[in-house]
Amino acid sequence: SQQGEEDPQALSIQEGENATMNCSYKTSINNLQWYRQNSGRGLVHLILIRSNEREKHSGRLRVTLDTSKKSSSLLITASRAADTASYFCATGDTGGFKTIFGAGTRLFVKA
Amino acid sequence: DAMVIQNPRYQVTQFGKPVTLSCSQTLNHNVMYWYQQKSSQAPKLLFHYYDKDFNNEADTPDNFQSRRPNTSFCFLDIRSPGLGDAAMYLCATSSVGGIEKLFFGSGTQLSVL
Repeated sequence: SQQGEEDPQALSIQEGENATMNCSYKTSINNLQWYRQNSGRGLVHLILIRSNEREKHSGRLRVTLDTSKKSSSLLITASRAADTASYFCATGDTGGFKTIFGAGTRLFVKA
Repeated sequence: DAMVIQNPRYQVTQFGKPVTLSCSQTLNHNVMYWYQQKSSQAPKLLFHYYDKDFNNEADTPDNFQSRRPNTSFCFLDIRSPGLGDAAMYLCATSSVGGIEKLFFGSGTQLSVL
């Protein structure tokens, strides 16, 4: 089952611009994670934010979490062509051991 | 380097012919997951193991089975593949499920002819 929606479904920007992706979810969570997937490959973990955190940074990545709105955003600053990939949010539920993925945003960064 | 390894990278099978996909890990993680991902869609959780405790998702077809003979290995068995089972199958591990990040293998792309 899918946890929620990501917005936008696809995003095309120029190199150097910032990219913002949003994620909404439906249930109570322990944490929210963002993953990156290059075409035809496995997923790579980018960042994890716990339910008691509001913002987290890692290099050019900034993640926010609003548990009252059940939403999160991922900001990639100063994007590069190499950032072209699909980005998925995923939530770890509080009741079990599952991590459920959202639909993903396909990011295309033009050089 | 510690990692999650999936074999084979590409698998072709015939309609109705059983197929097994394999996953191994050197991370010594307790939890192992199998996800199915169809083109341009989110990974969909099929089932997971916490140690030897098997947990099936309610909407996972009976056609899909899994085995975990030891901590390091986990197998996905598709008993009678249909055309709709063509997908990328992703194995992942986690030290503590639902709380910590997942480590993914490169996936096995399954084609059904």
